Amino acid sequence: AQSVAQPEDQVNVAEGNPLTVKCTYSVSGNPYLFWYVQYPNRGLQFLLKYITGDNLVKGSYGFEAEFNKSQTSFHLKKPSALVSDSALYFCAVRDINTGNQFYFGTGTSLTVIP
Amino acid sequence: DTEVTQTPKHLVMGMTNKKSLKCEQHMGHRAMYWYKQKAKKPPELMFVYSYEKLSINESVPSRFSPECPNSSLLNLHLHALQPEDSALYLCASSQEKSSYNSPLHFGNGTRLTVT
Repeated sequence: AQSVAQPEDQVNVAEGNPLTVKCTYSVSGNPYLFWYVQYPNRGLQFLLKYITGDNLVKGSYGFEAEFNKSQTSFHLKKPSALVSDSALYFCAVRDINTGNQFYFGTGTSLTVIP
Repeated sequence: DTEVTQTPKHLVMGMTNKKSLKCEQHMGHRAMYWYKQKAKKPPELMFVYSYEKLSINESVPSRFSPECPNSSLLNLHLHALQPEDSALYLCASSQEKSSYNSPLHFGNGTRLTVT
């Protein structure tokens, strides 16, 4: 079965510094990878996806993610963190072998310190 | 603002009550989903509807009963719930279940408390 792992429960970064939220994946076949963000008392918002093509994917709110096949990683990045980026981030993989279900990572809580 | 609308935003119900959660989308999506989410945990899939037919039921207890009256609406009927069912219930939609590059679009959820 497909799966993703988010090794860090919590990431703290100073405002203005670059941020990275890590995700590794385990899939058979081509990976279909997604990042979502969840603010308090809100649903999940789609940030970006990797299906095929360029390894650097650009998404909403200045976020980007780098797909690395050799390291089976899909880390989320932003060059300069904002306090408003503080939220819960989920990596997800879509498993086309089991009805296109989404499987979410355990989530990483990002805190940007002013 | 989300394009998937869920009502109510908050719901408190007793264990003997019957209530319903509602979800609506007007993006022309043909797949709709119910997820349950506990605090700071990932969403857990409950049900998937594809073209208004139930295609996935993740072994959800019968006290949860989904309904898809048409392609834009999704309901979740609740009856005889337990306190451990308290959670954020999220509705989501996507273009088609078979469309592997289509992301899920989530509503803001219904915060359910069972007393």
